Amino acid sequence: EVQLVESGGGLVQPGGSLRLSCVASGFSISNSWMGWVRQAPGKGLEWVANIKEDGSEKYYLDSVKGRFSISRDNTKNSLYLQMNSLGVGDTAVYYCVASDQWGQGTLVTVSS
Amino acid sequence: EIVLTQSPGTLSLSPGERATLSCRASQSVSNNYLAWYQQKPGRAPRLLIYGASSRATGIPDRFSGSGSGTDFTLTISRLEPEDFAVYYCHQYGGSPPETFGQGTKVEIK
Repeated sequence: EVQLVESGGGLVQPGGSLRLSCVASGFSISNSWMGWVRQAPGKGLEWVANIKEDGSEKYYLDSVKGRFSISRDNTKNSLYLQMNSLGVGDTAVYYCVASDQWGQGTLVTVSS
Repeated sequence: EIVLTQSPGTLSLSPGERATLSCRASQSVSNNYLAWYQQKPGRAPRLLIYGASSRATGIPDRFSGSGSGTDFTLTISRLEPEDFAVYYCHQYGGSPPETFGQGTKVEIK
């Protein structure tokens, strides 16, 4: 079964950090651009970042540049998102995306 | 940045009726890299259409996409009960950032 499973979400204080992980099963990620999309509670979808198949190109939403870092490990069939200097505006469900596959999402809550 | 504007915000229809959803881009979408997603409460989005008009794997043929350049349409020919949801358009593949429309909610009348 083709699947993406995210982990690493949780409650963090403003200014804190979290690292999200996404593990793929049922297919190899090495042939796919991958990315992260987030959805704040009750809001629409917002693209956050993506990364080329070999990791040589990375792109970010302006509001997360310098704070978030996307990476991948094709040998582990995994995608990551390091999030630093988190603010309340980063509160959202974060989805891992590969081609037409989406994970179930992991909730990040930034609150004091 | 390409801004996608979806209309209407809410569409109230009955099962069996035809739904027509619009997505307008602030500038031409590169290579018509425009996708449509369906999202139900508490669930991840599901890809329906990519490349403006190609149905994703397993998507029923009552869903169709059309358009090019800056104007795109998602049509659901006959609404089934499971089609009532929120629909998003998404432009991808050109210069970052990728962007989504704000969504159209299709609700039961």
